[in-house]
Amino acid sequence: KAGVTQTPRYLIKTRGQQVTLSCSPISGHRSVSWYQQTPGQGLQFLFEYFSETQRNKGNFPGRFSGRQFSNSRSEMNVSTLELGDSALYLCASSSGTVGSNQPQHFGDGTRLSIL
Amino acid sequence: AQTVTQSQPEMSVQEAETVTLSCTYDTSESDYYLFWYKQPPSRQMILVIRQEAYKQQNATENRFSVNFQKAAKSFSLKISDSQLGDAAMYFCAYRRFYGGATNKLIFGTGTLLAVQP
Repeated sequence: KAGVTQTPRYLIKTRGQQVTLSCSPISGHRSVSWYQQTPGQGLQFLFEYFSETQRNKGNFPGRFSGRQFSNSRSEMNVSTLELGDSALYLCASSSGTVGSNQPQHFGDGTRLSIL
Repeated sequence: AQTVTQSQPEMSVQEAETVTLSCTYDTSESDYYLFWYKQPPSRQMILVIRQEAYKQQNATENRFSVNFQKAAKSFSLKISDSQLGDAAMYFCAYRRFYGGATNKLIFGTGTLLAVQP
């Protein structure tokens, strides 16, 4: 069974641009969560989705948004990029609904660098 | 709000020896999940072990075991017979059991484990 797939693996953007990151969950998984990992702030929860609906959102500005498609694939978008958005963005999927006791499986992440 | 603290930024262990990584957490809830994740240089976060707070028995997965002290809010990870492949960043994480459906994990700052041959 294929794991969680995140694309692209690396991305370089400049300030003010926008970016879209993609996450394909494990087949059959319907819950998807996103995290931002930086050396300064560590791992922080961005948002989570189930059945195409955002169920929870972390404490991030409105420039960070996401969505989930009917096939459970998810995208996150960051607009008006800032230098501080440079980070590793991790996606995790799990079977069952949000809040179930199923473990989360992570992808390899997308490394976003802002110049 | 829940918090997770890992007070050891770096640890080192000799191959085949045993090492214990510390984690403390703060919560007012009585039921929750605790996890240890491993993140090697490949970046993928890998679940090492999981503990449900309502279970008194400490979880064990092969060479990995935890010492869960609920009253002390402590959740340490013991790695026995350390192997070179165990070298990685280890994160302790908390997840709510009640209070709204969520998969949100609250992570500690991590412990970088080096394994010396």
